[in-house]
Amino acid sequence: AQTVTQSQPEMSVQEAETVTLSCTYDTSESDYYLFWYKQPPSRQMILVIRQEAYKQQNATENRFSVNFQKAAKSFSLKISDSQLGDAAMYFCAYRSALWDSNYQLIWGAGTKLIIKP
Amino acid sequence: DSGVTQTPKHLITATGQRVTLRCSPRSGDLSVYWYQQSLDQGLQFLIQYYNGEERAKGNILERFSAQQFPDLHSELNLSSLELGDSALYFCASSPMDGGWGTDTQYFGPGTRLTVL
Repeated sequence: AQTVTQSQPEMSVQEAETVTLSCTYDTSESDYYLFWYKQPPSRQMILVIRQEAYKQQNATENRFSVNFQKAAKSFSLKISDSQLGDAAMYFCAYRSALWDSNYQLIWGAGTKLIIKP
Repeated sequence: DSGVTQTPKHLITATGQRVTLRCSPRSGDLSVYWYQQSLDQGLQFLIQYYNGEERAKGNILERFSAQQFPDLHSELNLSSLELGDSALYFCASSPMDGGWGTDTQYFGPGTRLTVL
């Protein structure tokens, strides 16, 4: 079974600085997708970024980028120029891409990101 | 706004009662997923429906059931409620059955259930 681990329960960063959130996963599959979701105090679950395992190029979305290391099974999220609105819980999630498998999202425990003004 | 709607936003009820949570997927999405998030916990997958049929089942209790209707909205029924069922219940939707490259799951705002 696949597992997702986020080893940092909480991180803090100064506004305008850069922060990296860690995520590792365990799988025997070769084809899958990885996601970062953000959950602000409103509790809405918001997609931040997505990475296809077959793509070597790291995904980027404006100030958010990932460092995807397939061999190491690592998928970290880098937030540049941190803003107060980035304060939230960040969840890493895994989804199989194998044909006819269970496509549920498998979640890490989350990292609480605090932005210091 | 993800385009996924959930009602009600909040629900307070007593132990032993039954409630129904409702989800409308994004326009055109055929899959609906239900997740449970207990306090300060990650999300647990409950069940997925694709185009009206059950597609996958996760850690869903026998007291819980769900269905997806012809108009693709879905309902999650929780019965014989216990204190431990208090949680945030999320619905998500995706275009196809979940395995396609475009099948990113977009989440609704959630229903907060409190069982007293």
